[in-house]
Amino acid sequence: AQSVTQLDSHVSVSEGTPVLLRCNYSSSYSPSLFWYVQHPNKGLQLLLKYTSAATLVKGINGFEAEFKKSETSFHLTKPSAHMSDAAEYFCVVSGTGGFKTIFGAGTRLFVKA
Amino acid sequence: NAGVTQTPKFQVLKTGQSMTLQCAQDMNHEYMSWYRQDPGMGLRLIHYSVGAGITDQGEVPNGYNVSRSTTEDFPLRLLSAAPSQTSVYFCASSPGTGAGGIGNTIYFGEGSWLTVV
Repeated sequence: AQSVTQLDSHVSVSEGTPVLLRCNYSSSYSPSLFWYVQHPNKGLQLLLKYTSAATLVKGINGFEAEFKKSETSFHLTKPSAHMSDAAEYFCVVSGTGGFKTIFGAGTRLFVKA
Repeated sequence: NAGVTQTPKFQVLKTGQSMTLQCAQDMNHEYMSWYRQDPGMGLRLIHYSVGAGITDQGEVPNGYNVSRSTTEDFPLRLLSAAPSQTSVYFCASSPGTGAGGIGNTIYFGEGSWLTVV
């Protein structure tokens, strides 16, 4: 069985400071892991994905995530937050075919000027 | 390239009414799915399909019906709407591969906001 836990429902940072959104997963086999972003009243956009290649994955808009198997974590980071990063972020674990995909509950990121 | 197209974007239904949310993709993807999004619960899988003529249930299938007569289309039917089905619905698709498509990116539609009164 697979599961994913996003450890913070809300994160608030100041513009220009680092962002850390935490995600732990559980999977009985090597998972594929994703981060998606959702801006208000919009669909979901892929930020980055891990598929058992490099453990440090770089995505769009300066985001990156590191897969740590020993900690079963896939935390999302960005060195410097921008106002446009304010959105909801979803950590996702996927089995074969991209279906039977499990979403975390989401972390809403607030960016203060 | 339109990607995944959902209609309608907004709909208000009365309890007991039925309706169909339409979903179409033009990427020739094998896999399609429907999710509902509720506050604090992320996205939950309603039904999915691994190809034309094949569908299966997800986490929350009750009250919903699907069919997949073509690769492109995957409509979601609400049989008798209830207030608990007030939600935002997302259709998604992803490509399949011979290895089962592990790690394939999921592409989402823009969402359909449904209110049942």
